[in-house]
Amino acid sequence: DIVMTQSPDSLAVSLGERATINCKSSQSILYTSNKKIYLAWYQQKPGQPPRLLIYWASTRESGVPDRFSGSGSGTDFTLTISSLQAEDVAVYYCQQYYSPPLTFGGGTKVEIK
Amino acid sequence: QVQLVQSGAEVKKPGASVKVSCKASGYTFTGDYIHWVRQAPGQGHEWMGRINPNTGGTNYAETFQGRVTMTRDTSISTAYMELSSLTSDDTAVYYCARGPPARSPNCLDVWGQGTTVTVS
Repeated sequence: DIVMTQSPDSLAVSLGERATINCKSSQSILYTSNKKIYLAWYQQKPGQPPRLLIYWASTRESGVPDRFSGSGSGTDFTLTISSLQAEDVAVYYCQQYYSPPLTFGGGTKVEIK
Repeated sequence: QVQLVQSGAEVKKPGASVKVSCKASGYTFTGDYIHWVRQAPGQGHEWMGRINPNTGGTNYAETFQGRVTMTRDTSISTAYMELSSLTSDDTAVYYCARGPPARSPNCLDVWGQGTTVTVS
């Protein structure tokens, strides 16, 4: 199974400041034939299901604010919130969909400082 | 709009089975995979498997092989997940989620609201 490791477990950021979340896969999740990275990022608020933010490591889902961006290559990936808003308080997860079983990172809790 | 609506909370005794439903609307049910993911209290997300609503074909996570059954009823655009031989470790919120092949069948773009299953 592909292991997804996130860091940090939590972070507190001031409103309007940048938040950066890291995710590392235990093996490459780049499919060489189509050059796509099979990585997604989700946001989950208490009592709600996960919400897809980013797929193919860097493509924003429709309706997601452009302050959210994804980057990375190989086995190291980053989700950046460029200017933290109050409504961004949540837990963020990465997930690989390169090969079953689909696996998720342990989550990063983002709070306001 | 695209929606997945799940059945209500369940309380089960150890050793029993539970069957959770997931009704799809707003898109062609047979066009996209349905996955099941669970989240135990204070734990991460655990993928259980997926079903192709068009063919009924399934792929289960090894952890749940022999204990989980995923089915569908295309006439009412509903997928089901049945988990047997329940223990307290199965206490969790169970989610269904859609995986559209046009993007990737394993990228989960729409999720149900979740069904809490308590084994006690």
